[in-house]
Amino acid sequence: GESVGLHLPTLSVQEGDNSIINCAYSNSASDYFIWYKQESGKGPQFIIDIRSNMDKRQGQRVTVLLNKTVKHLSLQIAATQPGDSAVYFCAGYTSGTYKYIFGTGTRLKVLA
Amino acid sequence: ETGVTQTPRHLVMGMTNKKSLKCEQHLGHNAMYWYKQSAKKPLELMFVYSLEERVENNSVPSRFSPECPNSSHLFLHLHTLQPEDSALYLCASSHGDRPQFFGPGTRLTVL
Repeated sequence: GESVGLHLPTLSVQEGDNSIINCAYSNSASDYFIWYKQESGKGPQFIIDIRSNMDKRQGQRVTVLLNKTVKHLSLQIAATQPGDSAVYFCAGYTSGTYKYIFGTGTRLKVLA
Repeated sequence: ETGVTQTPRHLVMGMTNKKSLKCEQHLGHNAMYWYKQSAKKPLELMFVYSLEERVENNSVPSRFSPECPNSSHLFLHLHTLQPEDSALYLCASSHGDRPQFFGPGTRLTVL
């Protein structure tokens, strides 16, 4: 069935190090992917997106990589800061369907 | 804030109560969504409205009743809920094939 899942439930990184959060998807029809950050007590916040005709997209301190061959995407956070501590999850979307499929999330803990 | 507001932020209700959740978006989007977020589970899509018409209803029990009076407002009417309905209910909006933006959610507890 359709699924978007994350490889690790919790990731701990030292402040200043780079973080990599991974996501696998199963729906080949997904053509748009989004990473969200959710802090405690808040709704998910958009971080970065990528369309299936791209394999890399960079934002401010964040980079998303998409490998359609193995149906995998990752979120890289450079110089991780305490404010980056949150749950991160990916979503896959098929254009025109209104249907986003979300992963369960990875909790990122930044160690001082 | 993201431009999507939800009220109330917290709600405690008994199984025989009737209550409503409200969502408002100030982003000019043409689609609005209700999601349920339970601990350690992915977001579950409940309803989607596009241009005020319901386009998705993911086998949600009839004790949840959505209403979309216009493209900026979305309601979720609740009645005779069960304790397992306790969760964070998130509203989101989007425009075309652009990313969804979420509200802060309503934390619902059913006693």
